[in-house]
Amino acid sequence: DAGVIQSPRHEVTEMGQEVTLRCKPISGHDYLFWYRQTMMRGLELLIYFNNNVPIDDSGMPEDRFSAKMPNASFSTLKIQPSEPRDSAVYFCASRYGTGFPGELFFGEGSRLTVL
Amino acid sequence: QKEVEQDPGPLSVPEGAIVSLNCTYSNSAFQYFMWYRQYSRKGPELLMYTYSSGNKEDGRFTAQVDKSSKYISLFIRDSQPSDSATYLCAAGREGTALIFGKGTTLSVSS
Repeated sequence: DAGVIQSPRHEVTEMGQEVTLRCKPISGHDYLFWYRQTMMRGLELLIYFNNNVPIDDSGMPEDRFSAKMPNASFSTLKIQPSEPRDSAVYFCASRYGTGFPGELFFGEGSRLTVL
Repeated sequence: QKEVEQDPGPLSVPEGAIVSLNCTYSNSAFQYFMWYRQYSRKGPELLMYTYSSGNKEDGRFTAQVDKSSKYISLFIRDSQPSDSATYLCAAGREGTALIFGKGTTLSVSS
């Protein structure tokens, strides 16, 4: 398997523009997670899905952020409108099942810069 | 207070040194504990995990958990330049998401 695939790897946009980040989890994994990483706050959970259903979105910072998982092989994280403070690396990760150790497999991240 | 606290460093050591990385956590419901390693501009990768208090050893790496004091440690013996990375501790419980510390950036000089 190719692992978790994220796109784009880099995105530079102007404040106010819509940003869409994409993720393809590892085939067969039933959990998908979106994390955001900054120097100040580290790796923070935004939202996660189980079998395409959002389970916990309490980490989504505000209504400008939305995430969808229309099928088992694709998820999007959308920011509309984007702001400079959204600049971060956004990681998608997937996992199979809930049993220990439940290793998370991360993608390489999408580095977002909002000017 | 974050559920998992970790000193971000940076930490710089000479090759061959013993490295100690530490975290504390506040949620006593956490059942398992992990260390992820992240190289520059890459995603984190699982390094070690443990389900209970005590030590777990894997080559030059030892993970230690003390549930009574809510303390998580990672020791690296005979550190190598290739160990230079960010190390993230994480804690979780069944059926929920992992909660990560901020990560400690380690640099090992040759």
